[in-house]
Amino acid sequence: QQQVKQSPQSLIVQKGGISIINCAYENTAFDYFPWYQQFPGKGPALLIAIRPDVSEKKEGRFTISFNKSAKQFSLHIMDSQPGDSATYFCAATYPSGTYKYIFGTGTRLKVLA
Amino acid sequence: EAGVVQSPRYKIIEKKQPVAFWCNPISGHNTLYWYRQNLGQGPELLIRYENEEAVDDSQLPKDRFSAERLKGVDSTLKIQPAELGDSAVYLCASSLRSGMIYEQYFGPGTRLTVT
Repeated sequence: QQQVKQSPQSLIVQKGGISIINCAYENTAFDYFPWYQQFPGKGPALLIAIRPDVSEKKEGRFTISFNKSAKQFSLHIMDSQPGDSATYFCAATYPSGTYKYIFGTGTRLKVLA
Repeated sequence: EAGVVQSPRYKIIEKKQPVAFWCNPISGHNTLYWYRQNLGQGPELLIRYENEEAVDDSQLPKDRFSAERLKGVDSTLKIQPAELGDSAVYLCASSLRSGMIYEQYFGPGTRLTVT
């Protein structure tokens, strides 16, 4: 119940294309879902996050789609650029006092120029 | 604003040797986290501090790992003795409450190789 399952493990997209990364969770107590971007040799950096009371959140070229009934959420990167090539992690947490993030296993994205 | 600072960035040691990692969180962030990230995996929480108090250390292998956060600012994570399986990136993060959410900001990590 603590797991967050992320797919695909790796993704190759042409420049200008749409990158889609999916995550699924089991614990219905989760109520905050951030996405992190990690470049080689760097720590993860917060990209965008969503609460389950909304179905979609958009920030620039990045959009989170959230399906509460299916317990799934996804990251869409529009107009993907070579600079977006990185590893992306979804995560889930709940404000029960632990503020513990459960991370997915990551998706390595490569955007071809 | 300076980010989370960690040192060293890289460390290579032989098994059974001790090793220590240091973290300086973002100024004003009272919550500090230590994570371990194995190759090809997401970060896994080892310990969380609220000021000086370790409030969640359930995932910390206490037989060989220890941590401290004196004065509620800097923190040190120690492994003694190190084992081959401890090879990983050790990430420090800090957070400041934003509404009901603690948004976490990560440092660059320390890559540990145990030979």
